Amino acid sequence: DTGVSQNPRHKITKRGQNVTFRCDPISEHNRLYWYRQTLGQGPEFLTYFQNEAQLEKSRLLSDRFSAERPKGSFSTLEIQRTEQGDSAMYLCASSLGDQGAVDFFGQGTRLTVV
Amino acid sequence: GNSVTQMEGPVTLSEEAFLTINCTYTATGYPSLFWYVQYPGEGLQLLLKATKADDKGSNKGFEATYRKETTSFHLEKGSVQVSDSAVYFCALRRLTGGGNKLTFGTGTQLKVEL
Repeated sequence: DTGVSQNPRHKITKRGQNVTFRCDPISEHNRLYWYRQTLGQGPEFLTYFQNEAQLEKSRLLSDRFSAERPKGSFSTLEIQRTEQGDSAMYLCASSLGDQGAVDFFGQGTRLTVV
Repeated sequence: GNSVTQMEGPVTLSEEAFLTINCTYTATGYPSLFWYVQYPGEGLQLLLKATKADDKGSNKGFEATYRKETTSFHLEKGSVQVSDSAVYFCALRRLTGGGNKLTFGTGTQLKVEL
């Protein structure tokens, strides 16, 4: 296993379109996170899965955002009716363990809404 | 809520200079503390961590000590190299309501020149 994989790496979409991103975590990792990073800022938490259960969602995750992790393996993040403010890098991370566990990050999907 | 404050960048140093990047945090309880690094064109990767007060994390010549009394986790390196040029993020993790998301600072860009 080569790490956390995210696809696509880049996505340009027109305002109002829907987009979907995919994250494949490290195979034995039960925890999966989505973060959003804008230019000059640190990653901000969006949502968290333990196995297939979505246990926490940030208030940043508006009704236009939905995330799934069917069967506790890969995850998808969908944004409906995209807005220019959605332009950002979307990061996925996975981990196994307790509070001191290491999160492994993917390289991210850069979304540009035009 | 939880928060992390980092010194603003960019920090520009000559090779072999001493590096300090300040990081302070606000959190209830006893968070775990992390430094992540993002090299140009690459994903976030863990540099070092500390899970309890007075622990020292170290890796690749970088060190940081978990200081509960000053709520700090400053990153230091005795002699930087050009290859250390990257963005450094301080982060904390605290178990809250079943989730254990990372809370990041805004990042500090380091530029090392010959």
